[in-house]
Amino acid sequence: GENVEQHPSTLSVQEGDSAVIKCTYSDSASNYFPWYKQELGKRPQLIIDIRSNVGEKKDQRIAVTLNKTAKHFSLHITETQPEDSAVYFCAAPNSGYSTLTFGKGTMLLVSP
Amino acid sequence: ETGVTQSPTHLIKTRGQQVTLRCSSQSGHNTVSWYQQALGQGPQFIFQYYREEENGRGNFPPRFSGLQFPNYSSELNVNALELDDSALYLCASSLQQGLETQYFGPGTRLLVL
Repeated sequence: GENVEQHPSTLSVQEGDSAVIKCTYSDSASNYFPWYKQELGKRPQLIIDIRSNVGEKKDQRIAVTLNKTAKHFSLHITETQPEDSAVYFCAAPNSGYSTLTFGKGTMLLVSP
Repeated sequence: ETGVTQSPTHLIKTRGQQVTLRCSSQSGHNTVSWYQQALGQGPQFIFQYYREEENGRGNFPPRFSGLQFPNYSSELNVNALELDDSALYLCASSLQQGLETQYFGPGTRLLVL
C-alpha cells in the first residue's frame, strides 16, 4: 500500500513569514494529492489539492508543488497569519482503492 | 462547512461493548469512507462504501464492520470494544469512487473505558 511521510512534525513561524511542509509518497502510480487543515476539535478541511498532470497549483496565499520524479509534494503558505495555526495533513491515494493514506500531520504555530 | 453529518458527537463505552456510529453523506455523494483518527495522528482508512457495497478495506479487524443504505448514508459498527478503539471516527463522502475530493464530517469521539 501507499506510504506517506510528512515533515516537519511541528513548525513555528512568525506572522508574515512563509511556511513549507513536505511530504513524500511511495507509489509512483499515485496521481492525486490533497492537503487538509484541521483546527483543534474540528473536522479536516480540504484547503488545496493537485493532480499529477500539473506541477504547481496556487490559491491566494497557499500553493502546492509536485515532483513526480522524486515522489514528493509540498505545501507553501505565504504571509502567514495566526489563524493559519492548525494541524496540516497531506494525503495520497491508497493503492488499488479510491481512498487516502494520510501523513502524520504538521502542527503549524504562527506567532503574532 | 461540508454537508456531511455524523452522530453521535461523543460516546463513552466500556470494554467489550458494541457501538454504532452514523454518517449522512453530502447531497449527491454516493461514496462514503470511514477513518479512525487517534490522538496526535493522521486519519487511518477503515473502509469505503460505494453504492451499498464495500469498496476497499484498511488494516482493521473484522469486528469493524459497516453498512451503506440506499440513500447513501452509512453506519460503522465496532464489536468487542477495546481500549485502543478510543479515537475520533471520521466519515468522508465523495461524489463517486475514484480520485474525487473527500469531504469530512465533524466526527464522533469515542472513549472506551
